Amino acid sequence: QVQLQQWGAGLLKPSETLSLTCAVYGGSFSGYYWSWIRQPPGKGLEWIGEINHSGGTNYNPSLKSRVTISVDTSKNQFSLKLSSVTAADTAVYYCARGQYGGSGNSYYYGIDVWGQGTTVTVSS
Amino acid sequence: EIVMTQSPATLSVSPGERATLSCRASQSVSSKLAWYQQKPGQAPRLLIYGAATRATGIPARFSGSGSGTEFTLTISSLQSEDFAVYYCQQYNNWPRTFGQGTKVEIK
Repeated sequence: QVQLQQWGAGLLKPSETLSLTCAVYGGSFSGYYWSWIRQPPGKGLEWIGEINHSGGTNYNPSLKSRVTISVDTSKNQFSLKLSSVTAADTAVYYCARGQYGGSGNSYYYGIDVWGQGTTVTVSS
Repeated sequence: EIVMTQSPATLSVSPGERATLSCRASQSVSSKLAWYQQKPGQAPRLLIYGAATRATGIPARFSGSGSGTEFTLTISSLQSEDFAVYYCQQYNNWPRTFGQGTKVEIK
C-alpha cells in the first residue's frame, strides 16, 4: 500500500523560503502526478502544483512566480519550495498522488493518496 | 482559471436521509470532475472521479452525476461517518481548481 511521508520546517518568518519534502513508500513513482495542495486554517483546498516522474511540472498561476516543485527519482521523493512567504501562506500543506489515465473524453484523474499534512505558520 | 462554486455552504441532514450537493463550473469541464470528503484533522479522501465513477472502496451510497458545468454528489442514506466537508475539483484545465466546500452536518 502506497504511503506518503512528508516533512519540513513548520515555523517561518516573512520573506523566508518554505521547503517541504515528501517520500513515496510502497509503490511505483512513475505514471503519476505528484502534487502539493494547501489548506489555510478553517478554509478550503488550494492546488499548488504537480510534477511527474520525468520532471514535467504544472503550477497554479497565482503562485507560479514563487513555487518550485522538484523530484528525486533515486529516492522516490519530491519537494516543494515556496519563496518570499507571508502570513497568507500559513496553511496545512499536503503532498499527494494524482492518479490519471485514459485520453480525450475518457481521461480521468483523482488524488487518491495523501500525506499526513504539515502545518506551516508564517509569523514574525 | 475555472472557478468552481459549491452549494449550499452547509447542509443539515438527519441520519438516514438523502443529501444532495451541487458543484458548478464557470465554464465546461466535460466530465473531468472529482469529489473528495474531508473529516476534521484528516486529509481529504477521493470519492468520485470522472464525475460519476466511484473510487476504490467507496460505498455505493455515494453517487455522482453531471457534465459540462453542473454536477451533483448524492449520498443516498447518510451514515454517521458521512458527516464531513465535501469538495469538488475540476481537472479539465490547469490549475486544477477546487470548490470552496460543502459541510454536511447533523440535523
